[in-house]
Amino acid sequence: QLQLQESGPGLVKPSETLSLTCTVSGDSITNSFYYWGWIRQPPGGGLEWIGNIYYSGNTYYNPSLQSRVSLSVDTSKNQFSLRLKSVTAADTAVYYCARRYTHHFDFWGQGTLVTVSS
Amino acid sequence: QSALTQPASVSGSPGQSITISCTGSSSDVGTYDYVSWYQQHPGKAPKLLIFDVSDRPSGVSDRFSGSKSGNTASLTISGLQAADEADYYCSSYISTTSPYVFGTGTKGTVL
Repeated sequence: QLQLQESGPGLVKPSETLSLTCTVSGDSITNSFYYWGWIRQPPGGGLEWIGNIYYSGNTYYNPSLQSRVSLSVDTSKNQFSLRLKSVTAADTAVYYCARRYTHHFDFWGQGTLVTVSS
Repeated sequence: QSALTQPASVSGSPGQSITISCTGSSSDVGTYDYVSWYQQHPGKAPKLLIFDVSDRPSGVSDRFSGSKSGNTASLTISGLQAADEADYYCSSYISTTSPYVFGTGTKGTVL
């Protein structure tokens, strides 16, 4: 059964870098059918797509975050990761990792809350 | 990359039907048949309900259906149940360079 689990610090200081990892179990991250993605949701707000990555390292980013975000993949650990630099309070959100099949996200992790505060 | 427009809230009584709209533009909803819908209960991750405008994943009730006309996609929930009380989000493919945008979200209430 497919499972995605986000992990990383729940508190990040302003101007620092947010780093999260998504561990995939029940499927190989090298499965050619899928991209892997990150989506976030601020408290009380809506969903915002952050970016997608293929196991080969091919990436697509939300233009509004492109200058600050990078995704990477570690096929040996069946993981993919998010780095968001120069964070502000506006980056406080629940961050979800998800599997993308064609043009929809069919499986999601449970999400992890990241708070940006000094 | 502006969010797709959804009504803030939609409500209905048990057994009735409700329809949630998702309005985009000729650059997204109007061009591509890649609209998906997600249901989110409080404190939970979103769950895929509909993909490619009107297809349902295995295990999703046929009370949920999707359609599209021009730049507007719609999600219809028939035979409304208490468990349908949740937030609903649409999403559309945009382009190869910046593929995805979500809707503003709709709170579905069962009266």
